[in-house]
Amino acid sequence: EPEVTQTPSHQVTQMGQEVILRCVPISNHLYFYWYRQILGQKVEFLVSFYNNEISEKSEIFDDQFSVERPDGSNFTLKIRSTKLEDSAMYFCASSTGTAGEKLFFGSGTQLSVL
Amino acid sequence: DQQVKQNSPSLSVQEGRISILNCDYTNSMFDYFLWYKKYPAEGPTFLISISSIKDKNEDGRFTVFLNKSAKHLSLHIVPSQPGDSAVYFCAASGGDYGGSQGNLIFGKGTKLSVKP
Repeated sequence: EPEVTQTPSHQVTQMGQEVILRCVPISNHLYFYWYRQILGQKVEFLVSFYNNEISEKSEIFDDQFSVERPDGSNFTLKIRSTKLEDSAMYFCASSTGTAGEKLFFGSGTQLSVL
Repeated sequence: DQQVKQNSPSLSVQEGRISILNCDYTNSMFDYFLWYKKYPAEGPTFLISISSIKDKNEDGRFTVFLNKSAKHLSLHIVPSQPGDSAVYFCAASGGDYGGSQGNLIFGKGTKLSVKP
C-alpha cells in the first residue's frame, strides 16, 4: 500500500531555532495535512493544504507556523522560532479529499525543543 | 471543549473474545466517524468509518455501530487477536465548527491489550 513518508523521525532543537519537518504525501493525493500529538494528549489538527494554499487552519497554527509544497512531491511544515510547548509528535497526512474518506498518516516526526 | 470523548483509557480482553471500544460525541452535526489504530512509533492507521446516515458498518472482524440519538458509537472487534493490541482513536469530521472533511476531531484514545 502507498505510504506517507516523514523525515526526520526525530528532531532535537534549541528554543528559538527554526525547524522544518518534511513529508512526502501519496503521489495521487490532492489534500495534505499536518497534525500533532503532545505527549499524553489528543491528536490535534493543525492545517490542511489544497491547490497550493492553506484551506483551513486551527488556532494552534499561528504566525510561527507555515507550510509549503516546494515541488511536486514534498510538503513541509516550518516552525520559525520554536518554543518548549512545540515539543510533540507531528504527523503529516494526505487524502484524495472525498467526503468521509480516510486520511493516510505518516509515522511522524518527534520534535523535542530544549 | 471535548467534542469527541473516549472515556476508557484502557481495555484488556482475552484472545478470541469480543473487544468493544466506545466513543461519545457532542456535536450532532458531525457527518462522518472514523476509527484509527495506532502502534507505538507509527502514525494512526485507518480501520473503518461510518456515515452519519447509517447505523452500522462492517469490515471483516471490525464493526462500527452508530447510535445518533445517544451520540454514541462503538467499535466491535471479534474475535480479538494479540496483534490487535494498540491504541484506538475515534475521530469525527464535518459539523458546524467549520471543519472540512480532513479536519478530524480525535478522541484521546483507548489502549487495547489482547492477551493470549
